[in-house]
Amino acid sequence: QVQLVESGGGLVKPGGSLRLSCAASGFTFSDYFMSWIRQAPGKGLEWISYISNSGFTIYYADSVKGRFTISRDNAKNSLSLQMNSLRAEDTAVYYCARVGDGYNSIDYWGQGTLVTVSS
Amino acid sequence: ETVMTQSPATLSVSPGDRATLSCRASESVGSKLAWYLQKPGQAPRLLIYGASTRATGIPARFSGYGSGTEFTLTISSLQSEDFAVYYCQQYNNWPYTFGQGTKLEIK
Repeated sequence: QVQLVESGGGLVKPGGSLRLSCAASGFTFSDYFMSWIRQAPGKGLEWISYISNSGFTIYYADSVKGRFTISRDNAKNSLSLQMNSLRAEDTAVYYCARVGDGYNSIDYWGQGTLVTVSS
Repeated sequence: ETVMTQSPATLSVSPGDRATLSCRASESVGSKLAWYLQKPGQAPRLLIYGASTRATGIPARFSGYGSGTEFTLTISSLQSEDFAVYYCQQYNNWPYTFGQGTKLEIK
């Protein structure tokens, strides 16, 4: 069965950095586009980054562009999100997500990892 | 950016009744619209994509309709497990955007 397991969340000071990882299993990782989606406490969903199966196509939301970097390692079935220059408004649960085959909505989600940016 | 607006913010319905949730896009998204359900403390779950196609394992009581800028999600004969927050999401153009959610609560 499809599993996406995030790690790397935690408490970080404003201006700091954090790297999130997602371990994928139960499907052919290299066949699927992947994404990171976040949800601030008590708020809605924000799709912040998207990467094609090859890694050649990458999108970022304006809110994280220039600060966050998405990457993937198809040999290790892993997805990453490097987050720099973190701000209080980046506080959220971050979900690793698989993009559906043939349609750009999310068919599988990880359980999420909480990132808290606070001094 | 395409803004997605859901209504109502909260919908109170009795178990066994029908619920209809609405989603409006600020510009046409064709049929590139998905619906998700999220329960407290859980990740969202895909219900509908392509505006009207049920995702794998989703029961037939969930149905989606619409195209362009106006969409609806109808849940016939509500079950206890259906009370949750529902989000619509467009994937016609980046950034892909979600509505603010409709909370479906027990009346």
